[in-house]
Amino acid sequence: DGGITQSPKYLFRKEGQNVTLSCEQNLNHDAMYWYRQDPGQGLRLIYYSQIVNDFQKGDIAEGYSVSREKKESFPLTVTSAQKNPTAFYLCASSKGDSSDEQYFGPGTRLTVT
Amino acid sequence: QQPVQSPQAVILREGEDAVINCSSSKALYSVHWYRQKHGEAPVFLMILLKGGEQKGHEKISASFNEKKQQSSLYLTASQLSYSGTYFCGTYNYGQNFVFGPGTRLSVLP
Repeated sequence: DGGITQSPKYLFRKEGQNVTLSCEQNLNHDAMYWYRQDPGQGLRLIYYSQIVNDFQKGDIAEGYSVSREKKESFPLTVTSAQKNPTAFYLCASSKGDSSDEQYFGPGTRLTVT
Repeated sequence: QQPVQSPQAVILREGEDAVINCSSSKALYSVHWYRQKHGEAPVFLMILLKGGEQKGHEKISASFNEKKQQSSLYLTASQLSYSGTYFCGTYNYGQNFVFGPGTRLSVLP
């Protein structure tokens, strides 16, 4: 079955540590996205990539980094510079055009203490 | 610029209808609608494009008024499974895709 996988589902880290969240898709989609969601809030765009080896900052990129070395993979690193990293992180992919729907992974809930 | 959604929350009885609105202060190229249940990922409902094209589930109805920069999602004969938070997302010319704050819908038996 085609889809998007994110791992792990729950992640716990100590403050000051970098952590990398995994996102893999086998939908052959060109575009991939990372969103952050805080309790009771909407989704805010962190980074997106429309093609391998290229990515753009979203609205809240500070304290995060990404890479897109393969079409299927778009890992997100939450660095120690992110002041409030505890949140629900969602990865999505689409064919790439603004008229194409986004397919979301199940999300990773990150807790930093 | 984040789109505005209204109402913020709505409570329905099964079988009742609801309308959720999404508006932008800038010209829109397309509007997306998604539904998210608590603790789960958002699920695609519909896309409305400038020029009138629509893509989405047959049972979902929506409109897109380009001049007013508004979209509305129509939920008719609501079922318990319709409960969740509805998000619109908008593409404005030259800007990133951005989601609205969401409308929380509760359908009661």
